[in-house]
Order: sequence, then C-alpha cells, then structure tokens
Amino acid sequence: GQQVMQIPQYQHVQEGEDFTTYCNSSTTLSNIQWYKQRPGGHPVFLIQLVKSGEVKKQKRLTFQFGEAKKNSSLHITATQTTDVGTYFCARRDSNYQLIWGAGTKLIIKP
Amino acid sequence: DTEVTQTPKHLVMGMTNKKSLKCEQHMGHRAMYWYKQKAKKPPELMFVYSYEKLSINESVPSRFSPECPNSSLLNLHLHALQPEDSALYLCASSQGPQSNEQFFGPGTRLTVL
Repeated sequence: GQQVMQIPQYQHVQEGEDFTTYCNSSTTLSNIQWYKQRPGGHPVFLIQLVKSGEVKKQKRLTFQFGEAKKNSSLHITATQTTDVGTYFCARRDSNYQLIWGAGTKLIIKP
Repeated sequence: DTEVTQTPKHLVMGMTNKKSLKCEQHMGHRAMYWYKQKAKKPPELMFVYSYEKLSINESVPSRFSPECPNSSLLNLHLHALQPEDSALYLCASSQGPQSNEQFFGPGTRLTVL
C-alpha cells in the first residue's frame, strides 16, 4: 500500500517554542491517525481525522487534515518538557491495518 | 481496566532458547495485534487476531508463533531466534478489527544473543 511520508525526522526546539510535524501522501487518504511515543514508552493514540479540511484541537495540540486529504499536520503550541517524544502519523489501509509514517522526534533543548 | 499488560518487560535469550511473550487485556476487545519495533523506527505489524482467529500474518518467519488462548490473552512463542530479531515487541488491542483506536501495551524489550 501507499506509504505516508513524515517530516522532519527530528526537531529541536527551546521549551516554549512551537513544533510542527507533517505527513504527506501521493494518494488521497481516507483517514489519518496520530500517535505519541514517549522515550522508552509505547505508542499512545491521540486522534483520528477523516474529513477534508478537518481541524481538531486538544489543549495545545492542533491537528489538521488537508482539503485534498493528501496531507496532515500536528502543531504543538508553546512546547513543554512533557511533550518530548516521537510523534507518528498512520493511515488505515483497506484491511484496517495501520501504515505508519517514519515519525518525528521532538527534542527540547536544555 | 483500560490497559494492555505485557510480560516480561525485558528478555534476554540465546539463539537456541524457546521463550514466550504474553499479553493480556480486560477491555473486552476482540482484536489483538503483535508489532515489532526497532530503534528509531515505527512499529511493524506482525500478526492480527480477530475474534480469537488469526486474520493477518505479515509474512513473519516461522520462528515466531502466535497463539490466542482466549479473548483476553495473546502469546508470542519464540524459537531459534536470530540476533537481528532483537527489538521491542508491542502488543495492542482494539474493540474490533475495524475500530479506530489501538491500545498498546508497554512492550517486551527482547535481546537475542
């Protein structure tokens, strides 16, 4: 199946700065999910987006699904140390299995 | 109870050993999954059980053998592994095979010597 391309691989930010990770697909996505994995931890489901142009917020996190349903983003406002981890996007294929992006690691500079 | 538990947390085994990884959930979920995750990579699907039947086997070598004794338990039997099989093995569950959200366990960190 079609992969989802996720960038950047790493992002270093000062605490309080914003963070954004992007997922792109060459084909239309029926859905996109976002997961967070803390260092040494396991993936935790954050959200699923299914509608064109959808924007959802969870406190300082804003999730967007593009109008053409070929891209998605996760934006964190005013990062905190608790935000550290790797953020993965994933799409569900026709068998409902997850096809994962490579992940973006958020690193807070001391 | 809203969690998936896995035992052991860590496992070191030789290439001739036989060991088993265990996963348990009491959320009434009817789909359960085994993933393998190498460092700095996303999880890689190995097996899916749907209503206690193996529904997906992602071309996993036969040295990995899954088992679903009942709707709450999922095992992964390991035999004659290779050092490149060293990874974090994650179990996950979802309400059904078509459900949106997968709940992951903490994983078993496996080292094959």
